[in-house]
Amino acid sequence: GAVVSQHPSRVICKSGTSVKIECRSLDFQATTMFWYRQFPKQSLMLMATSNEGSKATYEQGVEKDKFLINHASLTLSTLTVTSAHPEDSSFYICSAVPGLAENGVADTQYFGPGTRLTVL
Amino acid sequence: DAKTTQPNSMESNEEEPVHLPCNHSTISGTDYIHWYRQLPSQGPEYVIHGLTSNVNNRMASLAIAEDRKSSTLILHRATLRDAAVYYCILISPGSGGSNYKLTFGKGTLLTVNP
Repeated sequence: GAVVSQHPSRVICKSGTSVKIECRSLDFQATTMFWYRQFPKQSLMLMATSNEGSKATYEQGVEKDKFLINHASLTLSTLTVTSAHPEDSSFYICSAVPGLAENGVADTQYFGPGTRLTVL
Repeated sequence: DAKTTQPNSMESNEEEPVHLPCNHSTISGTDYIHWYRQLPSQGPEYVIHGLTSNVNNRMASLAIAEDRKSSTLILHRATLRDAAVYYCILISPGSGGSNYKLTFGKGTLLTVNP
């Protein structure tokens, strides 16, 4: 099946620094990727939709200047958490969509393994 | 977006069937029913999806009520590796990236006892 990787899997940083998380679709091209955030014992919350070659679409309440998303190629999207603070500590998960099925609905969304960010 | 309602948690014994229910009484005629699951400390994985007819794949079966207001994910023989949070999500066809969006509810935490 299709594989999505994330790097790094775990990162610890000091408050005020920036952290970049990479999301790659390894064996397919993804015109659309998504970034989610998950706090302990809570469900996934969509942060933004990343489209190759265009600006990301952010969900309400997500600061676009703090969470910079770049989707430079059909296999790579990056999320940069700028000036990270302890409240940004979370599990960040990306997903990628290979494309539309004939019915106009994506059959499957493939998720990465997640990146655990801890901000001290 | 139409909402889904799932029990917070369920328990099962290993090698027994598990029926995970999902209510979606406000489902529209074009909404697809998708199931994903998330194992501890991992990203979610796709399980199955359907529109009107029951569906089977290597992981599970999906039984959809005739009025489509509810569905049931069936794991035929639960294993310890099936312990996860199971999410029932409705997806509507649309234009652009909007039809890909998944809105995760709280899901059902499945515990499998040895």
